[in-house]
Amino acid sequence: NAGVTQTPKFQVLKTGQSMTLQCAQDMNHEYMSWYRQDPGMGLRLIHYSVGAGITDQGEVPNGYNVSRSTTEDFPLRLLSAAPSQTSVYFCASSPSRTGHYEQFFGPGTRLTVL
Amino acid sequence: GENVEQHPSTLSVQEGDSAVIKCTYSDSASNYFPWYKQELGKRPQLIIDIRSNVGEKKDQRIAVTLNKTAKHFSLHITETQPEDSAVYFCAASRDLGFQKLVFGTGTRLLVSP
Repeated sequence: NAGVTQTPKFQVLKTGQSMTLQCAQDMNHEYMSWYRQDPGMGLRLIHYSVGAGITDQGEVPNGYNVSRSTTEDFPLRLLSAAPSQTSVYFCASSPSRTGHYEQFFGPGTRLTVL
Repeated sequence: GENVEQHPSTLSVQEGDSAVIKCTYSDSASNYFPWYKQELGKRPQLIIDIRSNVGEKKDQRIAVTLNKTAKHFSLHITETQPEDSAVYFCAASRDLGFQKLVFGTGTRLLVSP
């Protein structure tokens, strides 16, 4: 199993550009989520999904869109990039079985917005 | 909403010493408390977690304690080794379905040989 994969690893954007960060998992997990990690601020939840077709906002959703058309994929879209969105983005997945709460993180995407 | 504070922000110990990292949370309804380890340039990985119906949990050299009354929980690492050097994050969540984790700001642990 590849686990949770993310592409690209690195990306540089100019202010106002749009892009999609890709996330995929092959563990058949129902739950998927996106976090951003900024220095000194830990990880903050952007959006999450509890199953195909179901998404909801996390702590810092503004400027980001998500959709979940399949169990495996959960892309994150930046509509109009801003320098404040410079960060490391982690996708995570977790099973929906009771007693199994571990979130498995992808390797991350380092995004710089100029 | 939930707020998680974590201390200290950096911790330096000698190999073989113990290390303790402390977190406090604000939402008394939180019931799940995981700890993640993140090595430099790598992804966070779960090392131990505890639910609110348990006061302490141990896994080899690491342990977590929870005080629900005071709303704080701690990570204890005994007999530290250089490979324990990393950033450690605590988190709290009130949902045992999908966990909307609120993370602390992290502790950078440095273990010197």
